[in-house]
Amino acid sequence: GEDVEQSLFLSVREGDSSVINCTYTDSSSTYLYWYKQEPGAGLQLLTYIFSNMDMKQDQRLTVLLNKKDKHLSLRIADTQTGDSAIYFCAESSGANNLFFGTGTRLTVIP
Amino acid sequence: NAGVMQNPRHLVRRRGQEARLRCSPMKGHSHVYWYRQLPEEGLKFMVYLQKENIIDESGMPKERFSAEFPKEGPSILRIQQVVRGDSAAYFCASSSTVGGVSYEQYFGPGTRLTVT
Repeated sequence: GEDVEQSLFLSVREGDSSVINCTYTDSSSTYLYWYKQEPGAGLQLLTYIFSNMDMKQDQRLTVLLNKKDKHLSLRIADTQTGDSAIYFCAESSGANNLFFGTGTRLTVIP
Repeated sequence: NAGVMQNPRHLVRRRGQEARLRCSPMKGHSHVYWYRQLPEEGLKFMVYLQKENIIDESGMPKERFSAEFPKEGPSILRIQQVVRGDSAAYFCASSSTVGGVSYEQYFGPGTRLTVT
């Protein structure tokens, strides 16, 4: 079955860049997503990328996809304390259900 | 435009009782998904519904769990005879389709079920 893996924790200093990594196993993945979850809240869709793309940039967010290695990353430039949250990588093969990683807890140190 | 609404936000049930979780999708969305999040884990897909149809229930436990999305009203996730292991956050998401494919799922705030 599908498997999506992420490291559990990441700490960065305010103003630095954060890079959150994700690997997946499903070679038929068509869409890959990044969601943000703040404490006690639901998931906020940050961005997504189609598997035929290598990179997508949206303001402070840059998504890189290495399809050969099945590796996805999310870079947050100029990280702020408000970016502290859990970030989930998810993939879909177009079957309409998402497969999530376990999430990476990002802590931003002032 | 209101987002995905879920209620209640918190639900406490004793073992053996029934839990009913409600989800109203975003306006204009006709697809609803239910996910379960156990403590310190990612979300696990349970079921995908369109109006009056269950499209994919491959993630739903075979017993005690059921879901519906009637023509009128919210989608309901029903858990009968709850057990402690059902304690989790249950998230609903909704989407529309573009060319028959749902790209973006928007999530509600979740219902946190505690079974005592």
